[in-house]
Amino acid sequence: DAGVIQSPRHEVTEMGQEVTLRCKPISGHDYLFWYRQTMMRGLELLIYFNNNVPIDDSGMPEDRFSAKMPNASFSTLKIQPSEPRDSAVYFCASSLGWTEETQYFGPGTRLLVL
Amino acid sequence: AQSVTQLGSHVSVSEGALVLLRCNYSSSVPPYLFWYVQYPNQGLQLLLKYTSAATLVKGINGFEAEFKKSETSFHLTKPSAHMSDAAEYFCATYAGGTSYGKLTFGQGTILTVHP
Repeated sequence: DAGVIQSPRHEVTEMGQEVTLRCKPISGHDYLFWYRQTMMRGLELLIYFNNNVPIDDSGMPEDRFSAKMPNASFSTLKIQPSEPRDSAVYFCASSLGWTEETQYFGPGTRLLVL
Repeated sequence: AQSVTQLGSHVSVSEGALVLLRCNYSSSVPPYLFWYVQYPNQGLQLLLKYTSAATLVKGINGFEAEFKKSETSFHLTKPSAHMSDAAEYFCATYAGGTSYGKLTFGQGTILTVHP
């Protein structure tokens, strides 16, 4: 398997623009996670899905953030409108089950909002 | 809720020296504990995990960690550091309570290896 695939790898945009991050989980994995990593706050879980259904979105910072998983092989994280404080690395991860199961991380999308 | 604390945000060792990265957990129930490594500009990769089986867990790249309930610790060690071990290391556990199912990470420890 190619692992978790994320696109784009880098994104530079201007404040106020819409940003869409994409993720393809490992085939057969039924959990998908979106994380954000910053120097100040470290790694934060934003939202996770089980069998394409959002389970916990309490980590989503505000209404400007939304995530969808229309099918088992694709998920998006959208920021609209974007702000400079959204600049971070966004990771997608997937796992087969939870708790003791390993989460496999994608390479991340490095977002810079000017 | 379960959490982990990594002691030392930066650790520097010489090539060939012992690597010791510290992690303490807080949990009211037997925890699941993980060590992940992040190389520059890459995602996190699992090094090893503890799931209530053997207390000494061996991982990839020569790393191992020992679960010590009496000390609530899960320190990561490697007998001899290699230049390629330079990276950031994260200890993690699954949160409990209302956050059941969420993986909670420590703040990370940056390992520098000197020639």
